[in-house]
Amino acid sequence: GAVVSQHPSWVICKSGTSVKIECRSLDFQATTMFWYRQFPKQSLMLMATSNEGSKATYEQGVEKDKFLINHASLTLSTLTVTSAHPEDSSFYICSALQWGLGLGNEQFFGPGTRLTVL
Amino acid sequence: AQKVTQAQTEISVVEKEDVTLDCVYETRDTTYYLFWYKQPPSGELVFLIRRNSFDEQNEISGRYSWNFQKSTSSFNFTITASQVVDSAVYFCALSGLKAAGNKLTFGGGTRVLVKP
Repeated sequence: GAVVSQHPSWVICKSGTSVKIECRSLDFQATTMFWYRQFPKQSLMLMATSNEGSKATYEQGVEKDKFLINHASLTLSTLTVTSAHPEDSSFYICSALQWGLGLGNEQFFGPGTRLTVL
Repeated sequence: AQKVTQAQTEISVVEKEDVTLDCVYETRDTTYYLFWYKQPPSGELVFLIRRNSFDEQNEISGRYSWNFQKSTSSFNFTITASQVVDSAVYFCALSGLKAAGNKLTFGGGTRVLVKP
């Protein structure tokens, strides 16, 4: 199956700093990637859809100025948490969409990045 | 709007018992995909199965089996003869058409604890 990586796998930062998380599709090109956030003992919540060469589409309630998404190439999307605060501490997971024949296009998930803001 | 409901938040069983995880979904799409994922303590999502809305055949893969009932909008998952390594959170998810952006809607998850 297709492989998606994330870097870093975990990060600890001070409140007020910005943190960048990378999501890479290693063996396929992905024009569309997704970013999810998962708080402890909760489900995955879609934050935004990242489209190569265009602006990301954010879900309702997600601050686009706080969570900056850049999808500059067909294999890389980045999520920057700006001016991070403790409430931003969470598990961030990306996925990359691999287009296939027919209606079913599958998302392949990265291993996640655990962000802790002190 | 799409919705996925996993009514069981946590299930605890003893090894070798069978465990069934319920998943009920809501969608207005006539064509859609249903998924199950496993999330072990490491956090990485493990893909288990994808089923399209036109295929109501039940599926078995080793100790895993899935029962898709379109009439009741359910896609239940059974682990037969559970093992300690099956302990994880299991998510059911629903995806619409390309036009809907291929977004995945996840259920709340069911935590399965298999005791030795």
